[in-house]
Amino acid sequence: EAGVTQFPSHSVIEKGQTVTLRCDPISGHDNLYWYRRVMGKEIKFLLHFVKESKQDESGMPNNRFLAERTGGTYSTLKVQPAELEDSGVYFCASSQEPGQGTHYNSPLHFGNGTRLTVT
Amino acid sequence: KQEVTQIPAALSVPEGENLVLNCSFTDSAIYNLQWFRQDPGKGLTSLLLIQSSQREQTSGRLNASLDKSSGRSTLYIAASQPGDSATYLCAVRSNFGNEKLTFGTGTRLTIIP
Repeated sequence: EAGVTQFPSHSVIEKGQTVTLRCDPISGHDNLYWYRRVMGKEIKFLLHFVKESKQDESGMPNNRFLAERTGGTYSTLKVQPAELEDSGVYFCASSQEPGQGTHYNSPLHFGNGTRLTVT
Repeated sequence: KQEVTQIPAALSVPEGENLVLNCSFTDSAIYNLQWFRQDPGKGLTSLLLIQSSQREQTSGRLNASLDKSSGRSTLYIAASQPGDSATYLCAVRSNFGNEKLTFGTGTRLTIIP
């Protein structure tokens, strides 16, 4: 089974530019999550999709960040315009929902992340 | 608000020794706790997941325990090897309304050959 894949692995952009990160979850996983780790801090939740719907976007830092998951397959996270404090590693994860009321106990499978550097 | 702490931030031990990594969390209302390892420049690899009703999980040389009432988990690594060198992260999934994981800052483990 292919794991969670993220593209690109690295991105260096200038302040004010736009960057779009992509995540392909494990096939069949309805739940898709975005997390990020900024320098020296712990990994923090950004948002959660169930299929194509945003279940929880309470971790999105501001309206410069836009996540989409059209068709309930891959997801994109766009940062526009990028700021210096957006630098960090952006992780995507997916999980399977084995059945009603049990999906909170599924392990999350993470991708290798996208390292974003804003200069 | 859930907070997860991992101490120490870094640990170095000689090859072959057994070791314990610690994780504590402030709110015991959790669904589960998951241990990950992260190698430099890589993603997170899931090691063990302990459900809130379980006390421990084992996989090979790894054993994770959970004491939910005291808000503590340990990851025990037996007969450490240089390949175990990585950053180890614990994350809890709280049961107050959403599915997000709350991570600790990790313990960077170095096994000295």
